[in-house]
This record gives sequence, structure tokens and C-alpha cells, in this order.
Amino acid sequence: SQQGEEDPQALSIQEGENATMNCSYKTSINNLQWYRQNSGRGLVHLILIRSNEREKHSGRLRVTLDTSKKSSSLLITASRAADTASYFCATAVYSGTYKYIFGTGTRLKVLA
Amino acid sequence: SAVISQKPSRDICQRGTSLTIQCQVDSQVTMMFWYRQQPGQSLTLIATANQGSEATYESGFVIDKFPISRPNLTFSTLTVSNMSPEDSSIYLCSVEESRGRGYTFGSGTRLTVV
Repeated sequence: SQQGEEDPQALSIQEGENATMNCSYKTSINNLQWYRQNSGRGLVHLILIRSNEREKHSGRLRVTLDTSKKSSSLLITASRAADTASYFCATAVYSGTYKYIFGTGTRLKVLA
Repeated sequence: SAVISQKPSRDICQRGTSLTIQCQVDSQVTMMFWYRQQPGQSLTLIATANQGSEATYESGFVIDKFPISRPNLTFSTLTVSNMSPEDSSIYLCSVEESRGRGYTFGSGTRLTVV
């Protein structure tokens, strides 16, 4: 079963607004990552946050992690039309070896 | 970061046939991962491919249906065997970057089975 559930499933905002996406997961993790996917192509790694970190920034991206609630959020500030994509969280789960389980994804549409 | 060349980028195949997808990495990596993304869905891990050993398959995926080769540290193939329309998906390979840099993905193979 999916490790991560994301909400909302779809989000439509105006250019310049902020976009927030949330990810919840089920088991203990080593780290959590966020990825972007444009039009069903390959995924692009955005940011990684470790289980002992609470917040991380990268450019217009801000990621938070609450391990007590088993949840993470991705905030994109001052969104642009080029941010239109699907966003996935992925959690590193150890089961003999590390593997990454992807969430259900949020489809973001930024309107110009 | 690593650069992955994945091919073919797309294919339309007849049911009952097989398709082999190739991934070439520009650096040596220990593990390569194969994912399937069904239409409108998230990614599901098919298997982990280590060089020199048999691939490790996730629940719901078997070697007879998805044989994997890993002849060296820069190359892997995934074959989708005896295809049916339910196999229509995007298939992606990926490798793990050095610590803290996540995964790098190939551009994906969009497979349609008719």
C-alpha cells in the first residue's frame, strides 16, 4: 500500500500566490523527499529533509517535517506558471535495505 | 548529479509481446530502481537491481513478468513480458545520488499495449 498520502489531490492557484501541499505517511522514516513531475515525464528531485530536521528551505521552496504527526508540507512561494506540475513526497523506509515509497501526489496548476 | 539515458521514450506494443527498456547511467551506481506509474497514479516500486545479483522484487511483481538485468554498474534493463493492456504505464528507472541528494530519474518510457 502507499506509504504517503497527499492532499490536496489537485490545487489551482493564481500566479504569485503561495501553494501548500501536505504529505502524511505511516511508518518511521529516515528522510522524506519532494519531487516534481512535468506532464508524465521523469521526476526531478526538489528537496530532502531528514528525520531529525524540522524545516528546510531551497529558493522558493519551504519544507516542514513533523515526525510526531507523521506529516510534511511543501510550500511554494510566489508561484509561477512554470511551477505547474505534479508534486510527490517520497519516504525512505528501511526493510533490509532503504527504498523509497511515493505518495499519491498533488497536481498543481498555476494560472497566469 | 547522475545523468540517466532511458529508452525507448515511448512505444505502442501488441498484447502478448515483450518490451525491453534500457537505462544507462553516466556514473557507477550500486543500486538501480525500477518504478511503474499507471495513468494518473503515483509511482510503485517494481524492483531493486544490484549488480552481480538477482533483482529484489516488491510484492505483486514477479521475475517472470518483469525480468531485470544488471550486467554492470552503469546499465540495467527491465523487460515487460507477455504484455496486456493493463501493463500500459510509464516505466521509470532511477538511481540514488550521494547522501542528501535524493534520487535521479530517467525520463521514463510511456508504454501503451493494444
